[in-house]
Amino acid sequence: AQSVTQPDIHITVSEGASLELRCNYSYGATPYLFWYVQSPGQGLQLLLKYFSGDTLVQGIKGFEAEFKRSQSSFNLRKPSVHWSDAAEYFCAVGEPYNTDKLIFGTGTRLQVFP
Amino acid sequence: DAGVIQSPRHEVTEMGQEVTLRCKPISGHDYLFWYRQTMMRGLELLIYFNNNVPIDDSGMPEDRFSAKMPNASFSTLKIQPSEPRDSAVYFCASSPGQGAGELFFGEGSRLTVL
Repeated sequence: AQSVTQPDIHITVSEGASLELRCNYSYGATPYLFWYVQSPGQGLQLLLKYFSGDTLVQGIKGFEAEFKRSQSSFNLRKPSVHWSDAAEYFCAVGEPYNTDKLIFGTGTRLQVFP
Repeated sequence: DAGVIQSPRHEVTEMGQEVTLRCKPISGHDYLFWYRQTMMRGLELLIYFNNNVPIDDSGMPEDRFSAKMPNASFSTLKIQPSEPRDSAVYFCASSPGQGAGELFFGEGSRLTVL
């Protein structure tokens, strides 16, 4: 069965610093991978997704993620964090024939200090 | 266009009472999902529908939970009888399908069972 692991429960960074959130997946083939963001009291919003092709994908709000098959990873990055990026971030995996059924990781809570 | 609309936003009830959560998906979306979010278990997929038909309910925790989608614009998730361990935030999400992998989430219904 497919699964997603986000090893970091909570990360704190200073505003303007770079950010990398880790995500590892378990799946027999190349899965479809997603990052979602959840602001406090809100539902989740799609940041970016990877289906195939270029392994570096760009998303909204200045985020990017890189798919590394050899490491079964799909880490999320941002070169300079803004205070408004404070939120919870979820990595998710979908199956190629059923991409709308997503399995989510447990999330990483990002705190940003001024 | 309105997003996914959930009601109620907050519900406090006593153990043993029936709870009904409601969801109006985005018009034209073929898929509807119910997720449950808790600190301990993260975001769990409970059930999802395609064109009003339940496709996968393997995530429904037990017989106390039931979900219906009588038409394309309305779905309910019912818990009867409710228990304190059902306390969580319940999210409804919809998707246009077609393998896009983008789910649009409502703001959630926070349920507290005393």
